[in-house]
Amino acid sequence: GQQVMQIPQYQHVQEGEDFTTYCNSSTTLSNIQWYKQRPGGHPVFLIQLVKSGEVKKQKRLTFQFGEAKKNSSLHITATQTTDVGTYFCAGRTSGTYKYIFGTGTRLKVLA
Amino acid sequence: EAGVTQFPSHSVIEKGQTVTLRCDPISGHDNLYWYRRVMGKEIKFLLHFVKESKQDESGMPNNRFLAERTGGTYSTLKVQPAELEDSGVYFCASSQGIRSERWGQETQYFGPGTRLLVL
Repeated sequence: GQQVMQIPQYQHVQEGEDFTTYCNSSTTLSNIQWYKQRPGGHPVFLIQLVKSGEVKKQKRLTFQFGEAKKNSSLHITATQTTDVGTYFCAGRTSGTYKYIFGTGTRLKVLA
Repeated sequence: EAGVTQFPSHSVIEKGQTVTLRCDPISGHDNLYWYRRVMGKEIKFLLHFVKESKQDESGMPNNRFLAERTGGTYSTLKVQPAELEDSGVYFCASSQGIRSERWGQETQYFGPGTRLLVL
């Protein structure tokens, strides 16, 4: 069945350093969504990518969707302590409403 | 606008008992999803409702799990009898139904989750 792998599983960075998490799907995706879950909280929608090669920015966050629509990345520039949490990608294949979540990348930012 | 709510927030039960989780989606949202996250692992899809109809229940682990959405409003997820491996956080999410080229691309709004511990 469809699988979505995410790396790394954990990342500890010093405040001010950059951070990237990568998402890889075993199948071509129709679209991909990114979520952030704070410790003890619930996933909160960040952004959605639909087009091949799409790049979207939200302040210090940059999201990319691969040309083949099988991988995606989230890059945070100059991390802050408020960026702490687990980042999940969730991919959907054409013809289904079902989203397959990645394993998540847990980010810790050291002040 | 009220968000997705879930009840209870926590539940501790013994193996073999029954537990019913409830989810109230955002008013007007046709799509309702149930997910489960077991300790430190990925968020796994359980099932998807469109209004009162089960659209996809391919993620339901086994027949001990029963989900309903009577009247297309709130949903319940019953686990009977509960097993140790059912422990985890059960999330509900809802999204609007859009009949357009954006089908399937709606933002999902997650509830706070129910933390279930089966002893």
